[in-house]
Amino acid sequence: QVLLQESGPGLVKPSETLSLTCTVSGGSVSTSFFYWSWIRQPPGKRLEWIGHFYYSGSMVYNPSLESRATIAVDTSKNHFSLTLTSVTAADTAVYFCAMGLPPGFWGQGTLVTVSS
Amino acid sequence: IVLTQSPATLSLSPGERATLSCRASQSTTNYLAWYQQKPGQAPRLLIYDTSNRAAGIPARFSGSGSGADFTLTISSLDPEDFAVYYCQLRSDWPSTWTFGQGTRVEIK
Repeated sequence: QVLLQESGPGLVKPSETLSLTCTVSGGSVSTSFFYWSWIRQPPGKRLEWIGHFYYSGSMVYNPSLESRATIAVDTSKNHFSLTLTSVTAADTAVYFCAMGLPPGFWGQGTLVTVSS
Repeated sequence: IVLTQSPATLSLSPGERATLSCRASQSTTNYLAWYQQKPGQAPRLLIYDTSNRAAGIPARFSGSGSGADFTLTISSLDPEDFAVYYCQLRSDWPSTWTFGQGTRVEIK
């Protein structure tokens, strides 16, 4: 059973950078054929895919966020991360990390609020 | 590609049949998934590749469709099925993902 856990600041100031980490247990981020993703959900709104990568290290991003989002992998720590630059109130959301294609394993999600 | 789900809200009683629609703005792949989400929880994968049930999903959930029109059917609603349901499409190339806006299934 793969378990994922998001962590990071719950409050970020406008124009600053949001940084989150997803720690994986029960599986390896370097395992072949697995997709690892970040998805977010603004309060009361639909889910929004941010981006994902798979074992070859290829990253794919939502075109609407590509200029601000970066996903990185640390195989030594078995975790992957998300950074989102120049945040605004519109980036306030619950951020999920997930695994699978489509994602069948999800973290519990972490709320990030953008506010001064 | 834009996914539009209908209806926005479905009011039904336990034991009734639920039919949820997901329409794509153009004909697309069959990489269509359905999720169930309850308040404060992460989404739960129900169906993948249009019609395949994920592990542990009851047989009352079924998916169908092709082209641009897809359907999730819950044959007989259990009290635990009242939730929001999202469809999600994976495009072939580039491998981008899109979610619908959700259908809320509520108790009548």
